[in-house]
Amino acid sequence: GAVVSQHPSRVICKSGTSVKIECRSLDFQATTMFWYRQFPKQSLMLMATSNEGSKATYEQGVEKDKFLINHASLTLSTLTVTSAHPEDSSFYICSAREGTGGIYGYTFGSGTRLTVV
Amino acid sequence: AQSVTQPDIHITVSEGASLELRCNYSYGATPYLFWYVQSPGQGLQLLLKYFSGDTLVQGIKGFEAEFKRSQSSFNLRKPSVHWSDAAEYFCVYSNSNSGYALNFGKGTSLLVTP
Repeated sequence: GAVVSQHPSRVICKSGTSVKIECRSLDFQATTMFWYRQFPKQSLMLMATSNEGSKATYEQGVEKDKFLINHASLTLSTLTVTSAHPEDSSFYICSAREGTGGIYGYTFGSGTRLTVV
Repeated sequence: AQSVTQPDIHITVSEGASLELRCNYSYGATPYLFWYVQSPGQGLQLLLKYFSGDTLVQGIKGFEAEFKRSQSSFNLRKPSVHWSDAAEYFCVYSNSNSGYALNFGKGTSLLVTP
């Protein structure tokens, strides 16, 4: 089946530094990738949608200059949290989809636990 | 705006008992609907999905869901719950307006007692 690898699984960084999270589709070409964040005991909140070769579309309230998303190839998308602060500490999850329509399957990465100290 | 509502934040059932988790959607047209489960350390897993056609959908692990347009509901059911079913369950929708991104309900936490 389709596999999405997300790396790193855990990261601790100092306040003010930047952190990059990678999301790779291992056995399929991901036309579209999605990034979510999940606070403890809460649901997944969609942050942005990225299509290969295009600028990401951010959800309302998500700062695009803080959460930089790059989807330069059909198998790799990255999320960079710039100038991280403790309030950015969260669980970040990526999802990849092979096509652009709703009938295609979605594959989730295993998530990245970010702690900003 | 389209959304899904999961009225129950927590549900506790006894092992072996039946289970029904509620989900209501609000949208003019039929959305694509999903149920996902999230267990600690195991990530998100798709239980089942509904796009069109037969309104009773069978999923993995003995789960099923029924799409009821008249009630705007897509409730998840299982006839006999196992202790390993304890997890967080999310009702999810997608549609063309959001580029078919998956949008998650707030979730229902299931506790299974002996």
